[in-house]
Amino acid sequence: GESVGLHLPTLSVQEGDNSIINCAYSNSASDYFIWYKQESGKGPQFIIDIRSNMDKRQGQRVTVLLNKTVKHLSLQIAATQPGDSAVYFCAENRKKGGADGLTFGKGTHLIIQP
Amino acid sequence: NAGVTQTPKFRVLKTGQSMTLLCAQDMNHEYMYWYRQDPGMGLRLIHYSVGEGTTAKGEVPDGYNVSRLKKQNFLLGLESAAPSQTSVYFCASSRIRGYEQYFGPGTRLTVT
Repeated sequence: GESVGLHLPTLSVQEGDNSIINCAYSNSASDYFIWYKQESGKGPQFIIDIRSNMDKRQGQRVTVLLNKTVKHLSLQIAATQPGDSAVYFCAENRKKGGADGLTFGKGTHLIIQP
Repeated sequence: NAGVTQTPKFRVLKTGQSMTLLCAQDMNHEYMYWYRQDPGMGLRLIHYSVGEGTTAKGEVPDGYNVSRLKKQNFLLGLESAAPSQTSVYFCASSRIRGYEQYFGPGTRLTVT
């Protein structure tokens, strides 16, 4: 199965609340992780990344947490806004079948309720 | 900077027809990638390139060919389109191998 996956396909939150999107990975050798946001009809857009030698990284209203012990990655979005509605993908950098690139999870659809 | 651009944005093909998707980037990136995105499947790597004149197979290369004659361009070809190739195709580029990738807006291809 997918080595990069998400626990929930859809997450609905109230505007102004914090959102947490989770991601599990299975390859302990992966050394880099990245979160993308994809709005309807558009290409994925970089949000934040983290290397395996870090546990936490913060950006503007976003925080990524990496727990290597349980192979878990999360994206926290503070004070969610209507513009945050999108599909969020996590991805890891690992060799898969000799190919190079990022392996993506299926995505979580974040819905912001007014 | 335009970043990563893709042409065309939409295309409908009949089974057996051929076409070429063009990807261009103006960031002087060495690495370029082609993905397809299908509902429930996420993004899957078709082919990639580690520099001008190089190409390599990704996870789902069958039925596709690519060329990288110029550093800024990466072409994806379908020689004989099949309905199973109906998908949204994304091109991406990166400065460093396998790290932050910049994506184009996508090409929606329908094969009937």
